[in-house]
Amino acid sequence: AQSVTQPDIHITVSEGASLELRCNYSYGATPYLFWYVQSPGQGLQLLLKYFSGDTLVQGIKGFEAEFKRSQSSFNLRKPSVHWSDAAEYFCAVGLISNFGNEKLTFGTGTRLTIIP
Amino acid sequence: GAVVSQHPSWVICKSGTSVKIECRSLDFQATTMFWYRQFPKQSLMLMATSNEGSKATYEQGVEKDKFLINHASLTLSTLTVTSAHPEDSSFYICSASWGKTQPQHFGDGTRLSIL
Repeated sequence: AQSVTQPDIHITVSEGASLELRCNYSYGATPYLFWYVQSPGQGLQLLLKYFSGDTLVQGIKGFEAEFKRSQSSFNLRKPSVHWSDAAEYFCAVGLISNFGNEKLTFGTGTRLTIIP
Repeated sequence: GAVVSQHPSWVICKSGTSVKIECRSLDFQATTMFWYRQFPKQSLMLMATSNEGSKATYEQGVEKDKFLINHASLTLSTLTVTSAHPEDSSFYICSASWGKTQPQHFGDGTRLSIL
């Protein structure tokens, strides 16, 4: 079965500093990989996704992620964070369900705090 | 685009009652909808997957008679928590997708509190 590990439960970063959130996955085949962001009390917004091709994926809000097969990782990065980036970030791996859509398995999330 | 609306956003009810949560795709036809449950400060756990006009597929450990899912049209799925008890209190989130390899788009969630 597929699994996703986000080693960092909570990260604090100064506004304007760079950010890297770690994600490792376990899956037998080439995975579909996603990063979502969740603000308190709300649903999830898709930041970016990797299906195939270029291993460096650009997303919304200035985020990017790099798929590294040798390390089974899909880390999320942003060169300069803004206070509005404070949220919970979830990495997910997708498995094609019986209906042909991705059945997502989520990591436990990383809470990002931004300090002035 | 790809807006998913979930209603209600917050509901409080007495133990033993049934609660219905709606999930609508507003600007696309959702061939598949997913229902998740999220406990405080935890990740999302998939409860079930449903296709329009078909029976939902439930994840292991999820009681299908307690969590009734209906996907009556390409834009609407409902989750009914029957005979709800305090342990059913949680944050329920739906998502919708319009095709294979298409990402899921999430609603804003429903906070359910059972007294």
